Amino acid sequence: EAGVAQSPRYKIIEKRQSVAFWCNPISGHATLYWYQQILGQGPKLLIQFQNNGVVDDSQLPKDRFSAERLKGVDSTLKIQPAKLEDSAVYLCASSPPRTVQETQYFGPGTRLLVL
Amino acid sequence: SQQGEEDPQALSIQEGENATMNCSYKTSINNLQWYRQNSGRGLVHLILIRSNEREKHSGRLRVTLDTSKKSSSLLITASRAADTASYFCATDLGWDSGAGSYQLTFGKGTKLSVIP
Repeated sequence: EAGVAQSPRYKIIEKRQSVAFWCNPISGHATLYWYQQILGQGPKLLIQFQNNGVVDDSQLPKDRFSAERLKGVDSTLKIQPAKLEDSAVYLCASSPPRTVQETQYFGPGTRLLVL
Repeated sequence: SQQGEEDPQALSIQEGENATMNCSYKTSINNLQWYRQNSGRGLVHLILIRSNEREKHSGRLRVTLDTSKKSSSLLITASRAADTASYFCATDLGWDSGAGSYQLTFGKGTKLSVIP
């Protein structure tokens, strides 16, 4: 089966600019996650969707970050305006229904550098 | 906040040797998983151990879980250069009926280098 797809793979922007990331989860996976991974750290959950509804966005900096998942499939994560500390890898993951397994499947990530 | 803390932060070994990484966590958990991340890539699930299990094997991987000490270890036997990667433990607190999913909390990872 096809894995989680993300684009772009790399992005370099200047501070105060805007940027958007795209994710296409594995077919049939209702749950979609966006993580932020700063260099040398583990992934930190930003937002979690169940179908097209948000179930947890407690760690999303809502003054600058936004995310949506239209039609319960693809998702976009946006940063506007970007700050230097937003430089990180943004990982998208999806998981199958509970009755299958509890693991998450990750995309290759988008590496963001804010100058 | 990060639930798991891996130890050591970095580990360098010769090919063929065994590699052991440890993970400690703070609160009671439901499952503990180990993931691998190759440089510049996404995370790949390796193995899951449930809170009522003490040891699990998968190929060259052996995971132990000590819930009384809130710790887990990952052993990679007969390491290969291809095992060079960062390894993360991730814990979940059980099925969240409100979220309709499990939620993982990751540690900071152990960076393993296997020298050919």
